Amino acid sequence: DAGVTQSPTHLIKTRGQQVTLRCSPKSGHDTVSWYQQALGQGPQFIFQYYEEEERQRGNFPDRFSGHQFPNYSSELNVNALLLGDSALYLCASSLFNHPYEQYFGPGTRLTVT
Amino acid sequence: GESVGLHLPTLSVQEGDNSIINCAYSNSASDYFIWYKQESGKGPQFIIDIRSNMDKRQGQRVTVLLNKTVKHLSLQIAATQPGDSAVYFCAENIQGAQKLVFGQGTRLTINP
Repeated sequence: DAGVTQSPTHLIKTRGQQVTLRCSPKSGHDTVSWYQQALGQGPQFIFQYYEEEERQRGNFPDRFSGHQFPNYSSELNVNALLLGDSALYLCASSLFNHPYEQYFGPGTRLTVT
Repeated sequence: GESVGLHLPTLSVQEGDNSIINCAYSNSASDYFIWYKQESGKGPQFIIDIRSNMDKRQGQRVTVLLNKTVKHLSLQIAATQPGDSAVYFCAENIQGAQKLVFGQGTRLTINP
């Protein structure tokens, strides 16, 4: 039974560019949450997707957007990249009716130069 | 406002000793708390959770204590092993929200 998978593992982008990160949830899970983890900090909630809709959103600008597909996988898009967007981006999956039991993927390390 | 913090950013213990990692939270509406372990290069891994209507919960070698009076959470690891070396985060869920608020984390190192 595969856990949460994310791709790519690492990514280097230039300021102003756009990036798309991908996540496949744990088998049987229907909800995907995205977090940003800056170096030395705890993860910060970006948003959550269920039934292909954004259900919850943290304090992140509109440059951060997402999508969920019918197979429950999800993408995180970041436009107009800033140096401060450099971080580990974590995807967590869960069941919508058990939102606390979140399983995290290994993350995508994004570096903006 | 929402905040979950940790008293100590680093903790060093001798192998075989017990470890205690502390966490303070500020939102009295939080109804659920989780401890995560994050090893280098990996995502956070669930350790143990506790609901706000409980004050203690035990797992395998781990115990979580919740003191709602002073808004304090602790994680106790018994007989600490080298494999316990990691950063430990507490996270809280504010009642009605379906998102977790994480603290900064405590790095636990094990001395042989």
